[in-house]
Amino acid sequence: DAGVIQSPRHEVTEMGQEVTLRCKPISGHNSLFWYRQTMMRGLELLIYFNNNVPIDDSGMPEDRFSAKMPNASFSTLKIQPSEPRDSAVYFCASSLRLAGGWDTQYFGPGTRLTVL
Amino acid sequence: GENVEQHPSTLSVQEGDSAVIKCTYSDSASNYFPWYKQELGKRPQLIIDIRSNVGEKKDQRIAVTLNKTAKHFSLHITETQPEDSAVYFCAASRVNTDKLIFGTGTRLQVFP
Repeated sequence: DAGVIQSPRHEVTEMGQEVTLRCKPISGHNSLFWYRQTMMRGLELLIYFNNNVPIDDSGMPEDRFSAKMPNASFSTLKIQPSEPRDSAVYFCASSLRLAGGWDTQYFGPGTRLTVL
Repeated sequence: GENVEQHPSTLSVQEGDSAVIKCTYSDSASNYFPWYKQELGKRPQLIIDIRSNVGEKKDQRIAVTLNKTAKHFSLHITETQPEDSAVYFCAASRVNTDKLIFGTGTRLQVFP
């Protein structure tokens, strides 16, 4: 099992540029989560999907952020335009949601984003 | 709204001593409580979890206790080792939801 795969692992960009982060969940998992981690704000849930449908996007900071999940094996998080305050580590996680069950979330290695 | 408070924010112990990290949650409907360990530069990884139908769970040197009445749960690490040094996060969620509410983390340092 390859685990959750994220790309790129590191991204350095200039303010105003578009940034796209990618995630491949564990095969067979049906829930996918995007988190942002910073020293100041800790680990924040941005958005999550179940069966490719966005369920809760209340953590998305503003309209500059958007996320898609076109199929069960791929998701993107896009920031346009990027700003220096978006600098953070972005984690993708996936889990297998069963009816009536609690599900372990498995995290990817993260993408370290630096916006200059 | 939903909130999980975690204390202490930093904890230093001598190798071999015990470490205890405490979390309090606000949503009385929460019934799943995982703990994650994050080593420097790495991803968070689940180390233990507890469901609301039990009060305690143990796995070798780590244990978690849950007090639903008081709405708090704790992580206990015994016989600490330098490799236990990391940031530990507690979290809480309701059954049939995927959303985990994370605490702010505890940086544990174990000195040899």
